[in-house]
Amino acid sequence: KAGVTQTPRYLIKTRGQQVTLSCSPISGHRSVSWYQQTPGQGLQFLFEYFSETQRNKGNFPGRFSGRQFSNSRSEMNVSTLELGDSALYLCASSPSGTVGTIGYTFGSGTRLTVV
Amino acid sequence: QKEVEQNSGPLSVPEGAIASLNCTYSDRGSQSFFWYRQYSGKSPELIMSIYSNGDKEDGRFTAQLNKASQYVSLLIRDSQPSDSATYLCAAQSWGKFQFGAGTQVVVTP
Repeated sequence: KAGVTQTPRYLIKTRGQQVTLSCSPISGHRSVSWYQQTPGQGLQFLFEYFSETQRNKGNFPGRFSGRQFSNSRSEMNVSTLELGDSALYLCASSPSGTVGTIGYTFGSGTRLTVV
Repeated sequence: QKEVEQNSGPLSVPEGAIASLNCTYSDRGSQSFFWYRQYSGKSPELIMSIYSNGDKEDGRFTAQLNKASQYVSLLIRDSQPSDSATYLCAAQSWGKFQFGAGTQVVVTP
């Protein structure tokens, strides 16, 4: 059974640019969540999508957005990149309706470096 | 105040000993709790979940939950060098997860 697939694994972008990250959840999983992980802040919740709808949202500025497609694949977009956006971005999937009881399976992450 | 608190460590544990990790949470509405292990440069992997007060054992791992004290712990018995990692505690409340900053565990031969 394939795991959660995130692409690309590494990205280097310049301040002011925008970036799109992709996540393919485990087959059959309909909930996809995104997290930002930095050494100083730990894992910070960005948003969760379920059946193409944003179900939960964290405390990030509007520069961070996401969407989910009908096949449950999700994308996350960050516009007007800042140096502080450098982080590991993790996607996590869970079977529909059971996020609270089963927990997540995380992807390998996308390491974003903003220069 | 962080909603989920963990000692950052490092927690140094001799090989074969018991590692004891602690986690406190502030949201009394939290319904389920999870322990994730994260190796350096890797993504977190789920090792234990617990929803009811008491102990839950899975192999060398035991999770303990005390909702009255808002306290979750993880015991790792017979610690192995491969257990050296950062352990993240997470509390779930109405579909939202809060993660602690993690405790680094170093198992010394």
